[in-house]
Amino acid sequence: DAGITQSPRYKITETGRQVTLMCHQTWSHSYMFWYRQDLGHGLRLIYYSAAADITDKGEVPDGYVVSRSKTENFPLTLESATRSQTSVYFCASTRDSNTEAFFGQGTRLTVV
Amino acid sequence: AQKVTQAQTEISVVEKEDVTLDCVYETRDTTYYLFWYKQPPSGELVFLIRRNSFDEQNEISGRYSWNFQKSTSSFNFTITASQVVDSAVYFCALSGVGTYKYIFGTGTRLKVLA
Repeated sequence: DAGITQSPRYKITETGRQVTLMCHQTWSHSYMFWYRQDLGHGLRLIYYSAAADITDKGEVPDGYVVSRSKTENFPLTLESATRSQTSVYFCASTRDSNTEAFFGQGTRLTVV
Repeated sequence: AQKVTQAQTEISVVEKEDVTLDCVYETRDTTYYLFWYKQPPSGELVFLIRRNSFDEQNEISGRYSWNFQKSTSSFNFTITASQVVDSAVYFCALSGVGTYKYIFGTGTRLKVLA
């Protein structure tokens, strides 16, 4: 189906483990974003990308790594998960940098 | 630097009341875009409106209206005759030409009581 999908929807992992959150969009949108949503902080930008092989740090990039080898995929990796990374993660894409963003359903990550 | 401030953390109103959600932004870009999104209890994020920095006309869509004022760097959102289905978290967002960052505020949780 067309759209933007995230996987997994729910994930529980242990402190120190590496975990990758997947994001896939079918529109060939150039721009993709990763946000984390925490109570009291709204949506904070982790990383963003203007095209394949072009990524930039957002507001809270520490502890995260991204890659974008293909336009449609934008995986987010937590190299060594910490409890402070327990959050809901949203992936989004836009056709242009200033148009409506389309969001995935979110991934609820719990680090124990 | 870009910044979006939504000072109202939570607002409660009784059904049929009007309510205004405030959004104040900061940017050095001369061309920029402002957005509002709704996040209902189900969790998905729904786009409501986009406005560019050169268009200060107010916009009305049904019970929703938006007031953009560059002089005060504000882009406020008013819901007229609120309904229980309007209960959600509302986010204001900002994107600047050239930076392509897409920054959100902390959100305002609106509770509409029957």
